[in-house]
Amino acid sequence: DAGVTQSPTHLIKTRGQHVTLRCSPISGHKSVSWYQQVLGQGPQFIFQYYEKEERGRGNFPDRFSARQFPNYSSELNVNALLLGDSALYLCASSLEPGANVLTFGAGSRLTVL
Amino acid sequence: EDQVTQSPEALRLQEGESSSLNCSYTVSGLRGLFWYRQDPGKGPEFLFTLYSAGEEKEKERLKATLTKKESFLHITAPKPEDSATYLCAAGGQGGSEKLVFGKGTKLTVNP
Repeated sequence: DAGVTQSPTHLIKTRGQHVTLRCSPISGHKSVSWYQQVLGQGPQFIFQYYEKEERGRGNFPDRFSARQFPNYSSELNVNALLLGDSALYLCASSLEPGANVLTFGAGSRLTVL
Repeated sequence: EDQVTQSPEALRLQEGESSSLNCSYTVSGLRGLFWYRQDPGKGPEFLFTLYSAGEEKEKERLKATLTKKESFLHITAPKPEDSATYLCAAGGQGGSEKLVFGKGTKLTVNP
């Protein structure tokens, strides 16, 4: 079975640009969460979506947005990129909220120059 | 504010030398304490979930325990392939699946 798949795996952007990251959850998983992991730090929660609705939001500016599609895949969008947005962006899926075990993808490595 | 602190930041062991990693947490209404392993360039890989004080779980050379304020990951007779960053995360109440992660402990096991 395919795990959580994310694309692209690596990308380089310049300050002020926009980026879209994509995530496909494990088949049958309906909940998707996004995390940001800066080098040397633990992952930090950005969003959680379930059944296309936002179920949780972390302490991130409005430049960050996300959505979930009817097939449960998800997109994370970041506008007006800053140097500090350089990080590994992780997507995780679970069967449903409260299922407790999150399965993570390999992440999308974003570098902002 | 929910908080998770891991120590030490880095740990270097010889193959076969047992040790423990510490995770202190402050979470209102703990719904679960999670341990993940992360290899360089990869996403975190789930190891254990602990739900209540006194609970213990084992997997191969790893054993996780939980108290009301801390969790420990004990590594018995480690091998070089156990080298990785071990992340601790706490899930609180509130309806979302938000996990609060510590910074991790980078474990290196030398042959």
